[in-house]
Amino acid sequence: DAGVTQSPTHLIKTRGQQVTLRCSPKSGHDTVSWYQQALGQGPQFIFQYYEEEERQRGNFPDRFSGHQFPNYSSELNVNALLLGDSALYLCASTLWPGNTIYFGEGSWLTVV
Amino acid sequence: AQSVTQLGSHVSVSEGALVLLRCNYSSSVPPYLFWYVQYPNQGLQLLLKYTSAATLVKGINGFEAEFKKSETSFHLTKPSAHMSDAAEYFCAVSDSGGSNYKLTFGKGTLLTVNP
Repeated sequence: DAGVTQSPTHLIKTRGQQVTLRCSPKSGHDTVSWYQQALGQGPQFIFQYYEEEERQRGNFPDRFSGHQFPNYSSELNVNALLLGDSALYLCASTLWPGNTIYFGEGSWLTVV
Repeated sequence: AQSVTQLGSHVSVSEGALVLLRCNYSSSVPPYLFWYVQYPNQGLQLLLKYTSAATLVKGINGFEAEFKKSETSFHLTKPSAHMSDAAEYFCAVSDSGGSNYKLTFGKGTLLTVNP
């Protein structure tokens, strides 16, 4: 049973560029959330997708956007990258309306 | 709004000693509470969760946590630490059941286990 998978594992971008991160939820799950984990901090909720719609959003600017596809996979897009966007981006999935959230290994983004 | 406070950013124990990681939460509604573990350069793994059933929750790897409403606490314990327990531990709260909830995490506690 495949867990939550994310790609790419690591990437380096230049300030001002745009980045797309991808996530495939655990088999059988239909809800995907994204979290940002800065170095030395706990993860912070970015947004959640269910039925291809953004259901909840955390305190992140509009530069952060997402998408969910019919197969439940999801993308996180960040525009106009800032140095402060350097972090581990975690994807999490669950089955609506479940209460157990599973996390992927994350995508390490470094902005230089 | 929910919040989580993890007391002690770093806890160091000897192998075989009791592990106690502290978590206090704030929530305006009955909370769901979770403990996650993160090994170096990895994602988060669920250790255990409290969802308004039994107040003493048993998780994986010998960990357990007790929900105490009067103290707004959900401390994580393990009777005997093992070297493989060395990792970062995160306490998290959600505001309600169902997929409408989002997790609010504490800042984490780094557990070091000394031989």
